[in-house]
Amino acid sequence: GNSVTQMEGPVTLSEEAFLTINCTYTATGYPSLFWYVQYPGEGLQLLLKATKADDKGSNKGFEATYRKETTSFHLEKGSVQVSDSAVYFCALSDVGGNQFYFGTGTSLTVIP
Amino acid sequence: NAGVTQTPKFRILKIGQSMTLQCAQDMNHNYMYWYRQDPGMGLKLIYYSVGAGITDKGEVPNGYNVSRSTTEDFPLRLELAAPSQTSVYFCATSGLAGLTGELFFGEGSRLTVL
Repeated sequence: GNSVTQMEGPVTLSEEAFLTINCTYTATGYPSLFWYVQYPGEGLQLLLKATKADDKGSNKGFEATYRKETTSFHLEKGSVQVSDSAVYFCALSDVGGNQFYFGTGTSLTVIP
Repeated sequence: NAGVTQTPKFRILKIGQSMTLQCAQDMNHNYMYWYRQDPGMGLKLIYYSVGAGITDKGEVPNGYNVSRSTTEDFPLRLELAAPSQTSVYFCATSGLAGLTGELFFGEGSRLTVL
């Protein structure tokens, strides 16, 4: 079946530190992969996505590369800011299907 | 452009009561979803719909019902509320599920069952 496993949190970093949040997946076929972000008290919003192997999604300084050989989609940012404090969810959508599968979320706190 | 609108934002129920969470979208999306979010558990799919008149169960459908009579609306009904249904509920839509679809979320409805 389809599933997403992501790095346990919470993660606390100092401003300007490097961020990596690991995400691996199990899926049949070739899913699309997503990172969503949830700020306090809000719904989830799309951060970036990749639809095929070796694609790199990027947005707001965040990047993630679709690695089929390692079934991974790790989220990275070179220099985090306080405003990046949020919960980050890795997700996939099944090929030709109608469902999305989410990881458990990783809480990030960035301190000045 | 309102996007996805959920009501109410907060509600407290007593055990055994019933209620309906409303979800409305103005993006003309065919796909609509109801998720619940529990602390440390991520999002679990309750029900989804691929178009008006079509609904299907997700991972955790017990205790809930849905209907989809129009493209715009996808209400979630809780019958005989139980403490285990205390959660934050999110409605989401997608114009193209499957290969490249992005989900658009409402702001959530926080339900407490006492």
